[in-house]
Amino acid sequence: GENVEQHPSTLSVQEGDSAVIKCTYSDSASNYFPWYKQELGKRPQLIIDIRSNVGEKKDQRIAVTLNKTAKHFSLHITETQPEDSAVYFCAASRAPGSGGYQKVTFGIGTKLQVIP
Amino acid sequence: SAVISQKPSRDICQRGTSLTIQCQVDSQVTMMFWYRQQPGQSLTLIATANQGSEATYESGFVIDKFPISRPNLTFSTLTVSNMSPEDSSIYLCSVERDRGDIQYFGAGTRLSVL
Repeated sequence: GENVEQHPSTLSVQEGDSAVIKCTYSDSASNYFPWYKQELGKRPQLIIDIRSNVGEKKDQRIAVTLNKTAKHFSLHITETQPEDSAVYFCAASRAPGSGGYQKVTFGIGTKLQVIP
Repeated sequence: SAVISQKPSRDICQRGTSLTIQCQVDSQVTMMFWYRQQPGQSLTLIATANQGSEATYESGFVIDKFPISRPNLTFSTLTVSNMSPEDSSIYLCSVERDRGDIQYFGAGTRLSVL
């Protein structure tokens, strides 16, 4: 099955600096890569996602890059703010084939702390 | 997006008892999933709840311990049976409206077993 590795497990940055979280996946058939943000005691919420036909996607201060050949993808947060402090999970899945379903495999999570 | 109501939000249970967690969605969805998240850990898929058929369980999870119901396209339950302290965790349901769509999560049920 799919295996998703994520690093670092913890990350501290000064407010205004950039943060980068990296993930690798093992299943070359995976074609959908979402990122979830989970604030303390809250549910995971999708913040950005990328599909395998795209190399990069950006949404304001957040961007995700995908290298299919190397099977890795990264989350970039620029101009970090204290409210960016949370646990971030990367994930990988493949669009279901006939009779199948989309199983999402999550990374272990990165605890990001933005220091004011 | 999808609005997901999960109940209870938290519970403290005695060893050997069972707890049923409910997940209600505001619209019909094709797939519903149940995850476990132990403190400070990632999300581990327990099973996929299929409407009209038995749930599909992941390795390490069995129906006798985690029976699931999916009576219609907007509702599912997960029961944690014969609980032990090792079952203390957060249990989350998630939904996928259409195949290959984004997954949306419920707020979770924080379970403590004494």
